[in-house]
Amino acid sequence: AQSVAQPEDQVNVAEGNPLTVKCTYSVSGNPYLFWYVQYPNRGLQFLLKYITGDNLVKGSYGFEAEFNKSQTSFHLKKPSALVSDSALYFCAVRDSTSGTYKYIFGTGTRLKVLA
Amino acid sequence: KAGVTQTPRYLIKTRGQQVTLSCSPISGHRSVSWYQQTPGQGLQFLFEYFSETQRNKGNFPGRFSGRQFSNSRSEMNVSTLELGDSALYLCASSFHQETQYFGPGTRLLVL
Repeated sequence: AQSVAQPEDQVNVAEGNPLTVKCTYSVSGNPYLFWYVQYPNRGLQFLLKYITGDNLVKGSYGFEAEFNKSQTSFHLKKPSALVSDSALYFCAVRDSTSGTYKYIFGTGTRLKVLA
Repeated sequence: KAGVTQTPRYLIKTRGQQVTLSCSPISGHRSVSWYQQTPGQGLQFLFEYFSETQRNKGNFPGRFSGRQFSNSRSEMNVSTLELGDSALYLCASSFHQETQYFGPGTRLLVL
């Protein structure tokens, strides 16, 4: 079965330090992978996606993600964290095994950037 | 382009009542998906509509239903509300089943 795992419920990082939010996936076929961010009382905002091509994907707000096929991972990264990056982050994969498409979301990782 | 809009933003109902939530997708997007978000269960897929047809369905009871209109606007209905239905209901639209764009959500509280 297709699945997405975010192994950390919370990640704490000091402002100015690099951050990584982890995501691993299990899909058959070529994965379509996504990262979203959610601020309090808001919907999810699209950050970036990987479909094909370069393994390093750049997205909004200075975020990037590295697709690693051998490790089935798609970790979200940012070179220098800001306090305003504090939010809930979701990794998602598009599942097409049923012939149509469903999006499977991870359980989310709360990022806390400390001033 | 205007984003995905959802109405109402907040709703308070009592057990046994029914509720209808509305979603207007981004112009040109024909796929609309609905999700339930709760602290304990995370983001759970409810269903997806495309060109007025339900194309995918998650594992929710029949009390949860939806529809889509010819202008791609979608509604979601929950009948016989239970306390456990309290959640943030998110709508997302997409073009050609790629990136989903989410609305701000409707927060439903069932008392």
